[in-house]
Amino acid sequence: AQSVTQLGSHVSVSEGALVLLRCNYSSSVPPYLFWYVQYPNQGLQLLLKYTTGATLVKGINGFEAEFKKSETSFHLTKPSAHMSDAAEYFCAVPKPPPGFQKLVFGTGTRLLVSP
Amino acid sequence: KAGVTQTPRYLIKTRGQQVTLSCSPISGHRSVSWYQQTPGQGLQFLFEYFSETQRNKGNFPGRFSGRQFSNSRSEMNVSTLELGDSALYLCASSSGTSGYTFGSGTRLTVV
Repeated sequence: AQSVTQLGSHVSVSEGALVLLRCNYSSSVPPYLFWYVQYPNQGLQLLLKYTTGATLVKGINGFEAEFKKSETSFHLTKPSAHMSDAAEYFCAVPKPPPGFQKLVFGTGTRLLVSP
Repeated sequence: KAGVTQTPRYLIKTRGQQVTLSCSPISGHRSVSWYQQTPGQGLQFLFEYFSETQRNKGNFPGRFSGRQFSNSRSEMNVSTLELGDSALYLCASSSGTSGYTFGSGTRLTVV
């Protein structure tokens, strides 16, 4: 079954430092992959979406993710962290057909940004 | 374009009561799905509706139910509430597999 694994439940960075949040998908290449961000007491906001054929995907708020088939990875990066980036980040993949395609989420990574 | 609207934002209920949560999807979106988020279990799929039909259901007891109306608005109901039902309930609407837009959620606290 299609799934994603997020390594690291917490990541701490200093303001201005590189942000790297890891996500690996299960063996078969999914048609879509998503990164969502969740701020405290909020719902999920779509950061970016991978579609088949893309390699580097740019999202909102300066985030981007690189799809690497050889590593079954879709890691999220941002060159310079800002205090406002402190939130929880989720990688997700749609369950493949047949049948309804629900989203399967990783366990999430909480990003902590220190001044 | 209005986003996904969930009401109410916060609810406090007593064990044994029942509760109904509402979700209004983005205009034109016919698919509405529900997720439960808890610190221990993370984000778990509850069910999904498309054109008033439930297409899939997650591994939740029968106390959790839902429905969708002809205008695509959806409700979920939880009967005989338990303490463990305390969670953030998220609704997502979609026009296909390429995009899921989430609402702000309903925070349910069972006391």
